[in-house]
Amino acid sequence: NAGVTQTPKFRVLKTGQSMTLLCAQDMNHEYMYWYRQDPGMGLRLIHYSVGEGTTAKGEVPDGYNVSRLKKQNFLLGLESAAPSQTSVYFCATRLAGANVLTFGAGSRLTVL
Amino acid sequence: GQQVMQIPQYQHVQEGEDFTTYCNSSTTLSNIQWYKQRPGGHPVFLIQLVKSGEVKKQKRLTFQFGEAKKNSSLHITATQTTDVGTYFCAAELSSGSARQLTFGSGTQLTVLP
Repeated sequence: NAGVTQTPKFRVLKTGQSMTLLCAQDMNHEYMYWYRQDPGMGLRLIHYSVGEGTTAKGEVPDGYNVSRLKKQNFLLGLESAAPSQTSVYFCATRLAGANVLTFGAGSRLTVL
Repeated sequence: GQQVMQIPQYQHVQEGEDFTTYCNSSTTLSNIQWYKQRPGGHPVFLIQLVKSGEVKKQKRLTFQFGEAKKNSSLHITATQTTDVGTYFCAAELSSGSARQLTFGSGTQLTVLP
């Protein structure tokens, strides 16, 4: 089992470009989350999903959109990238009724 | 908004010394979790504390949950170079929040050989 897989692992964008990060899981977890990690600020929740076809905003949702068309996939989109979105992005999943998060390996995004 | 405060932000210790990181919340927590992130890696779950005053041990790591369930600590005895990384606490802060976890800012541990 792969667990939680994030693609791509690295990406460099120019300001104004768009891109999509993919999170794929094979654990049949109901909940999926996108976090960003910046130095000294821990992990901040961007968006999350409690099931297929549902999404909700987290702590820092501005500038991002998400979709969960299939239970196993959670996509994070940047429509018009800004330098402030330079960060490491982590996807995490959680089984309903459990508390533990399982993280992907992360995607490092640089916006020039 | 509601937060989980974690201190210190950085800690450098000599190998063999002890290390402690603390998490505090202004509200009562239903549970608290601890994660470890190795340099260049992703957070990995260590443990969950649920009961008031709970103490759990994993080899040289001791985790405590305060009596009021508003604070928690992670103590490492006799640190080793393999303990290097950032340690995060995480907690659910709002009921009905679809199981969102709020993370502390983390304590980055450096162990000098």
